[in-house]
Amino acid sequence: DAGVTQSPTHLIKTRGQQVTLRCSPKSGHDTVSWYQQALGQGPQFIFQYYEEEERQRGNFPDRFSGHQFPNYSSELNVNALLLGDSALYLCASSLENDGQEDGYTFGSGTRLTVV
Amino acid sequence: AQKVTQAQTEISVVEKEDVTLDCVYETRDTTYYLFWYKQPPSGELVFLIRRNSFDEQNEISGRYSWNFQKSTSSFNFTITASQVVDSAVYFCALSELYSGYALNFGKGTSLLVTP
Repeated sequence: DAGVTQSPTHLIKTRGQQVTLRCSPKSGHDTVSWYQQALGQGPQFIFQYYEEEERQRGNFPDRFSGHQFPNYSSELNVNALLLGDSALYLCASSLENDGQEDGYTFGSGTRLTVV
Repeated sequence: AQKVTQAQTEISVVEKEDVTLDCVYETRDTTYYLFWYKQPPSGELVFLIRRNSFDEQNEISGRYSWNFQKSTSSFNFTITASQVVDSAVYFCALSELYSGYALNFGKGTSLLVTP
C-alpha cells in the first residue's frame, strides 16, 4: 500500500517563474494538506484541501494556490517565485475526521530551489 | 507568537544514554492534540505519537516514552538507551480546533547519537 507520493523530488526554478508540485495521498485518505519547511525550521501550514475545496489556509500569500482533484490527489502552485520560496514542500494526507487519530501521513517532500 | 517551543536546538549523546526532548505549547482551546514526529535525513516526517488534551496518561512504546503535563503545558519525549538510528530531527506539533486542526510545529530538535 503506497503512502503519500510527491513529485518531483527536486526542482530548480528561476526567480519570477511559476511551479507546480504534485501529491498523491495515501490510499483511503481524502484530505490533503501542504506544508513549507525552510532549512532548519519546522514545517509551516500552507493550506488544506477537502472535497476539492480549500478548507483551511495558513499565513501564505495568494501566490500560493492549490487544487484537489476528484481522485483526491492535489497540486500546489506557486507563482512569481521568490528566493525565499526555496524550501522543502511536504504533502500530508488524512481521512476526514480521523486526522487526529493517525496524525497524518507525510510524503518525502519536494525540494524546491529558487535561483 | 510561537505556539510550540522546542528550546533544545541540538542534542548530542553517546549510544545507550537516555535523552529527553522538551516541548512546551501554548493554546486557549480546551480541545487540542499534541504530536511528535521524527524526520530522518530523507525528509519524510514519521508519526510517533498523538495525544489529545483529555488524556494525560503517560505512554511508553518500546524505548520511547512521553510525559504529558497540562499543568505546565509540556509534552516531553524520552528515548531510553538511545541508538545511532535514533539520530534525526524531532518535531513536536500542536493542532487546535481554533485553527481547524492544522499542525503547528515547533522548530525541532536535532538529535545526534554517536557510537
